[in-house]
Amino acid sequence: ILNVEQSPQSLHVQEGDSTNFTCSFPSSNFYALHWYRWETAKSPEALFVMTLNGDEKKKGRISATLNTKEGYSYLYIKGSQPEDSATYLCALTKGSGNTGKLIFGQGTTLQVKP
Amino acid sequence: DTEVTQTPKHLVMGMTNKKSLKCEQHMGHRAMYWYKQKAKKPPELMFVYSYEKLSINESVPSRFSPECPNSSLLNLHLHALQPEDSALYLCASSRLQTGGTNEKLFFGSGTQLSVL
Repeated sequence: ILNVEQSPQSLHVQEGDSTNFTCSFPSSNFYALHWYRWETAKSPEALFVMTLNGDEKKKGRISATLNTKEGYSYLYIKGSQPEDSATYLCALTKGSGNTGKLIFGQGTTLQVKP
Repeated sequence: DTEVTQTPKHLVMGMTNKKSLKCEQHMGHRAMYWYKQKAKKPPELMFVYSYEKLSINESVPSRFSPECPNSSLLNLHLHALQPEDSALYLCASSRLQTGGTNEKLFFGSGTQLSVL
């Protein structure tokens, strides 16, 4: 069984605060780690796909890092805005034997108060 | 066009009904997926189609029957569902099948299904 764990489950911050949350996963047979943002009543939207240990990706105020040896990824939001309020999902694909399977964590729900 | 369109957005059905969920994309993607999400749980993979052929069936009960009539369309036929099948059903597509690649998924907004 492949467990992808995200923490915290939910987070409330004030506008302007910077925040980060964690995705943990088994490090064996790692292939790729995805981050998705899911706003209420909308479709999940891909933020990043990372494959290499030490990868860092950035999109505006959002960035992510990846450590495949210890099995975790961090997502950072700098200067949170109310429009950042969403559920952030990470998902893992493994190598051979699991082709096509993207396994999701439960998500971190972020609420940014104006 | 980077949209994945799902219809209907909401569906209420009885346990004896037959209904279908539809998903459409025009991005030229050759992999399409059905995921099921129950409240407070992560999306769970149900089926994967790659080049219009069923690639993965995650041991889904036969009351769910997927169909991929062409590269742009994906259906999920529902028959004799149980109340515990009530969930959000998400469709997604990617340029190629994930796993062994770094393809990201494009999602529809889902069909919220209630089985009475």
